[in-house]
Parts: sequence; C-alpha cells; structure tokens
Amino acid sequence: GENVEQHPSTLSVQEGDSAVIKCTYSDSASNYFPWYKQELGKGPQLIIDIRSNVGEKKDQRIAVTLNKTAKHFSLHITETQPEDSAVYFCAASNGNFGNEKLTFGTGTRLTIIP
Amino acid sequence: NAGVTQTPKFRILKIGQSMTLQCAQDMNHNYMYWYRQDPGMGLKLIYYSVGAGITDKGEVPNGYNVSRSTTEDFPLRLELAAPSQTSVYFCASSRPGYEQYFGPGTRLTVT
Repeated sequence: GENVEQHPSTLSVQEGDSAVIKCTYSDSASNYFPWYKQELGKGPQLIIDIRSNVGEKKDQRIAVTLNKTAKHFSLHITETQPEDSAVYFCAASNGNFGNEKLTFGTGTRLTIIP
Repeated sequence: NAGVTQTPKFRILKIGQSMTLQCAQDMNHNYMYWYRQDPGMGLKLIYYSVGAGITDKGEVPNGYNVSRSTTEDFPLRLELAAPSQTSVYFCASSRPGYEQYFGPGTRLTVT
C-alpha cells in the first residue's frame, strides 16, 4: 500500500518568514495530494490540494509543488502569521476519483513566533 | 448547514464494552469515511462508504464495523473495546473527486 513520509515533525519560524513542509510518497499511481490544517481540538481542514497533472498550485500565501518523478510534494507558506500555528498533514490517494482512500503523513507542528 | 456532526464528543469505555460512534452529514455527500488518530500520528482510514448500502475496509478495520443505510448517516461500531482502540475518531464526507470535510472528532478512552 501507499506510504507517506512527512518532515519535519516540528517547525518554528519567526512571524513573517516562510515555512516549508515536505512529503514523499511511495505509490507511483497516487494522483491526488491534499494538505490539511488541524487546530487544537478540531478536525482537519483542507487548505490546498494538487492533482498529478499539475506541478504547482498557489492560493494567496500558500503554495504546493509536486515532483512526480521524485515522488515528493511540498507545502510553502509565505509571510507567516500567528494564526498559521497548527498541525499540518499531507496526504496521498490513488482512488478512482482521487480522494476515496487517503494515506496521511504523520504531521508537522508549526509554531509561528511573534 | 451543520456539515459533519459526530456524537459523543468524549467517551470512556471499559474493556469488553461495546458502543456506536455516530456520524451524520447534511451536505448530501455520497462518500463517507471513518479515521482514527493516535497521538503524534496521522489519520488512518478504518472504513469508508461510496454510497448507501456500500462499505469497504480501509487500512485498520479490525475490531470495528460500519453500516450505511442512508446517505446522511455512517455509524461506527466497536463490539469488544480494547485499550488499543483508545484514540480520537474522525468522520468525514465528500463528493466524488472533491475535498473531504471532517467532523470535530470523538475522543475515546478504553480502560
């Protein structure tokens, strides 16, 4: 089955700096790669996703890049703000429609230092 | 819309007891999922359903059962609770090809 590795497990950055979280996946058939943000005591919430036919996607301060050859994808957050502090999870899926069976990474706890 | 709702929020079970975790969604999503999240770990898929009457196993189905009699509801049943089932359980739903929406979770402790 699919295996997703995520690094780093914890990350602290100064407010205003950029944060980068990286994930690798094992199944070359995976075609959908979402990123979720989980705040304390809440369920994960999708912040951005990318499909295998796209190399990069951006939404305001958040961007995701995908390298299918190397089987890795990354989350980039620019101009970080205190409200970006949370746990971030990457995931991968090779379901028929792209999202039935997500395999998650182990998470990155991001702390923004004011 | 309430989105995805889960009950209860917290529960303590004794070893060997049974319980049902409830999940409901009001977005008319065909797909529903159950995950568990252990401390410091990512979410692992227990079961999922692509429509009423259809369920399938995920990565960690042992010790759990599900049913899907309606589009809205997807209960998760623990028959003989074990300490290894202590975890936070999340239900999610989606339309085919679109993002999964998660509920707030149920924190279960088995002692």
